Amino acid sequence: DTGVSQDPRHKITKRGQNVTFRCDPISEHNRLYWYRQTLGQGPEFLTYFQNEAQLEKSRLLSDRFSAERPKGSFSTLEIQRTEQGDSAMYLCASSLQGNSPLHFGNGTRLTVT
Amino acid sequence: AQTVTQSQPEMSVQEAETVTLSCTYDTSESDYYLFWYKQPPSRQMILVIRQEAYKQQNATENRFSVNFQKAAKSFSLKISDSQLGDAAMYFCAYSSYLNNAGNMLTFGGGTRLMVKP
Repeated sequence: DTGVSQDPRHKITKRGQNVTFRCDPISEHNRLYWYRQTLGQGPEFLTYFQNEAQLEKSRLLSDRFSAERPKGSFSTLEIQRTEQGDSAMYLCASSLQGNSPLHFGNGTRLTVT
Repeated sequence: AQTVTQSQPEMSVQEAETVTLSCTYDTSESDYYLFWYKQPPSRQMILVIRQEAYKQQNATENRFSVNFQKAAKSFSLKISDSQLGDAAMYFCAYSSYLNNAGNMLTFGGGTRLMVKP
């Protein structure tokens, strides 16, 4: 069990650019979650997958955001045409089915200049 | 929609003493889960303790225990024998019991706990 891995750890981009983050969950976990955490706040749910199916999307997830988990293993989160308001820590977490405990990664910190 | 409120932005405790962090929540559901998560500086968030709303008995995990008051919608965390390693942000979180809710958590704003040696 190597834990949940996220890449990159930090990303600095200019407004209007596209960025993509990757998350590798714990291998036997079939549920994968994305959360966003702005400075000084608690995380906010964005979306989650059960295997390759995206089952829920938060209203926070605008049309500029897209997430995939094509083979039910790793996941990517893409933000198109980044805005300064997208600056945040993007957290990935995984779990087994149901309400099993969540395991979080270290996050990707995005700074949009 | 559910909301979670942590009214204490910061708390401090002397090493070896006991501290209680407060959390209130609002929901119309009768079955749900409540959590406390710990986020040390620059480190990943980890689960401290979990409470199922249908269980009347308060959850405990070693030095960590909760006081779950369902009618009052209150869920406080007590840390006994505080250690320097307990210093972190603590988040209270809520999850519906519905099948598909899984770990779609609603978090509070957090309480920063400082431990004084």
